[in-house]
Amino acid sequence: DAKTTQPPSMDCAEGRAANLPCNHSTISGNEYVYWYRQIHSQGPQYIIHGLKNNETNEMASLIITEDRKSSTLILPHATLRDTAVYYCIVRPLSGANSKLTFGKGITLSVRP
Amino acid sequence: GAGVSQSPSNKVTEKGKDVELRCDPISGHTALYWYRQSLGQGLEFLIYFQGNSAPDKSGLPSDRFSAERTGGSVSTLTIQRTQQEDSAVYLCASTQWASGGERSYNEQFFGPGTRLTVL
Repeated sequence: DAKTTQPPSMDCAEGRAANLPCNHSTISGNEYVYWYRQIHSQGPQYIIHGLKNNETNEMASLIITEDRKSSTLILPHATLRDTAVYYCIVRPLSGANSKLTFGKGITLSVRP
Repeated sequence: GAGVSQSPSNKVTEKGKDVELRCDPISGHTALYWYRQSLGQGLEFLIYFQGNSAPDKSGLPSDRFSAERTGGSVSTLTIQRTQQEDSAVYLCASTQWASGGERSYNEQFFGPGTRLTVL
């Protein structure tokens, strides 16, 4: 079972920041937070991951609360191509190559 | 470079027939995963191969499902005596094994999937 909960959907205007929340209240100390997204009819795509510090890459930023029980994925300037299902996943450090357990994700719709 | 490829992209079969789905991982990736995604459902883990280690088969839904990975590269997922509930998109992913905490160590690269329809 997925260890994360996400709202089922949200939308945002093109060019604006999209803030996607995720709750993972039972996260363990050795578990990372990962985000993947799946654009319609494609395979999932890695976005970002983090342990406890905030992370930023060319795609997004990940903000993890101090107690690590929740996090927010930020797409700073959403485009229509960012419309997708976004999955928040927790994964143990020790099993770095272990399976990904996907929940239902959050469907982000970017409107023109 | 080439990504993960899967074939066929679409497969329609009759109930009771056997099917084979193929995955070509990224060259040099030592870990390979199979997942499936049923209509309206999330992605479900099926099986995982890592190097020469015994595969993790904990996600296979029944003994009709099996997979092998020959020569540490190409993998084939076989479904025997297909049932209508086997209809789904079957996704393959691969990961490069590397020490340290680099992105490639953690990131699974997914193929486009094979859409299986069992009539």
